[in-house]
Amino acid sequence: KNQVEQSPQSLIILEGKNCTLQCNYTVSPFSNLRWYKQDTGRGPVSLTIMTFSENTKSNGRYTATLDADTKQSSLHITASQLSDSASYICVVSASGGSYIPTFGRGTSLIVHP
Amino acid sequence: DADVTQTPRNRITKTGKRIMLECSQTKGHDRMYWYRQDPGLGLRLIYYSFDVKDINKGEISDGYSVSRQAQAKFSLSLESAIPNQTALYFCATSDPTGLVYNEQFFGPGTRLTVL
Repeated sequence: KNQVEQSPQSLIILEGKNCTLQCNYTVSPFSNLRWYKQDTGRGPVSLTIMTFSENTKSNGRYTATLDADTKQSSLHITASQLSDSASYICVVSASGGSYIPTFGRGTSLIVHP
Repeated sequence: DADVTQTPRNRITKTGKRIMLECSQTKGHDRMYWYRQDPGLGLRLIYYSFDVKDINKGEISDGYSVSRQAQAKFSLSLESAIPNQTALYFCATSDPTGLVYNEQFFGPGTRLTVL
């Protein structure tokens, strides 16, 4: 069964600090991995996407990494801001078939001033 | 995302009532999805549709039904609502072609409370 596990479940940091969120998956055969940001009460929005051949991708202060051999990804947030407070969801899609992605449960990040 | 709209945004209803949640999109995508989100459980897929004539069950379809009235419209119905269907419901669309690699675009959500 395809699964996506995220850690930690929740995280509290001070504004200006860096943090790293983790994602492990068992989806096979792998097609791509996305990180979504979900602000409270809103729908998720895609931050980054990585395919099998990519091992790092940046979007401003967000940097995602992918190790397809160990089936792990991380999302690093640099110089956190209050607006980074949100849930971050790792989503992995398999190749072929129906392309229905598998969602992780998300990491809830709170940035305190 | 204004390209995907959901109505109503909030709904309070009673056990046993029939409820319909509606989703419309202007992105021109063929694929549409309904998810529910519960605290600590993440997003779970209820139903999905790859085109007007294609409807598929997701992992938690029991107690729900859907209708794809047109490419742009996908409705979710709760035939007889029960309290454990209280949740945040999201509609999403996607286009599996090209460079977007099946990125999903979500609506603003419908908060449903069943008393």
